[in-house]
Order: sequence, then structure tokens, then C-alpha cells
Amino acid sequence: EAAVTQSPRSKVAVTGGKVTLSCHQTNNHDYMYWYRQDTGHGLRLIHYSYVADSTEKGDIPDGYKASRPSQENFSLILELASLSQTAVYFCASSGDSGNTLYFGEGSRLIVV
Amino acid sequence: GDKVKQSPSALSLQEGTNSALRCNFSIAATTVQWFLQNPRGSLINLFYLVPGTKENGRLKSTFNSKESYSTLHIRDAQLEDSGTYFCAAERNNYAQGLTFGLGTRVSVFP
Repeated sequence: EAAVTQSPRSKVAVTGGKVTLSCHQTNNHDYMYWYRQDTGHGLRLIHYSYVADSTEKGDIPDGYKASRPSQENFSLILELASLSQTAVYFCASSGDSGNTLYFGEGSRLIVV
Repeated sequence: GDKVKQSPSALSLQEGTNSALRCNFSIAATTVQWFLQNPRGSLINLFYLVPGTKENGRLKSTFNSKESYSTLHIRDAQLEDSGTYFCAAERNNYAQGLTFGLGTRVSVFP
């Protein structure tokens, strides 16, 4: 069965600090995504990647970087965390850009 | 949420009854996916649709690309159907993931 695992599952960060959210998939999928979920906004795409060592900007990339060191791993980096980045972050993978999306369990980030 | 509009925003169902959720698209959607976010927060894929209809147990979904909408029918609602249902569209000529609606919160009561 498809497996996408995220870490940490929950984190409290201080404003201005660096935060790294990690995602690992065992689906052998080429596409990986980072989405952000806020109340009233649904899920919005931050960054995505379709091949190792390459990342692309999604709809709301400002304030975030992404890294795809291997097919299995995709990280989301907040260099200078801000209060507005408090949200739940979901990683997902798919075999192709339009194929079924498999989500991780989410990472709840609180910036104080 | 503007490009993918879900209705209703919330729904309360008695066990055993039927209901329908709807998504209207203002973008040229080529495929649609439906997800259930359960009370624990996990996102579960329910359907992946090209234009047409799929059925899985008590759930049935239709995607009409010409009229830019999709529906999800819940038959014989059960308590475990509670959660928030999201539809998401893949845009034509836009390979970067899916565009999500804001969701329909469904509460099933005994």
C-alpha cells in the first residue's frame, strides 16, 4: 500500500527560526508535493517536484524553499519562520502529475 | 477556493439517509479527485475521475467536464462517513498538482 510519512508530526517554532519538514515516500512515485492547509483556505500548493534534484514553485511559494535530494525524499524549509506560517502541512506523492494523490498524515506547525 | 467551489459548505445527515455534494469548476478541469479528511486529520483518496462515473460501495461520483462540475453521492450514510470532503481538479495544461475546493463538512448522527 502507498506510504508517505512526514516528520515531525508536530512542532513549535520561534519567529525567525529555521524549520525543516521532511517527507519520505515508498511508492516509487516521481511526483511529490507540499501543501498547506489553513482554516477557510482548503489546501494550497507550495512547492512540487517531478524528479530528484529539481523543485518547482506552486501557488504560494513565498517564504518557503524545497529540496528533493532523492526520489524518496522531499523537504520543505522555512528559513525564517513567521507567525503567518502557522498551519498544517501535508506532503503527497503521485505517479504522474494527474494521477491519484497519496497524502502523508500532516505536520502541524505553530510559530510563536 | 474560487476556482473550485464546493457546496454545501456543511451538511448534517441522519444515519441511513442519502445526500449529494457538488463541485463547480471555473477552470478547465481535466481530471477530478475526491478526498475525505477524517476527524483525525488524515486525507484519504476516494475517487480519481476522468469524465464519467465511478462507484465504490455506498459512494458514487460523477465528473462532467463539459458542464464543469462533479458530484459525490453518499448512500445509506454511516457514522464513519463523518469528516470533510474535498474535491480537487487537475487543470488543463497545468501539471503542477491539484487545485482544491474549501471542502464540505459532513456530520452523520444516529
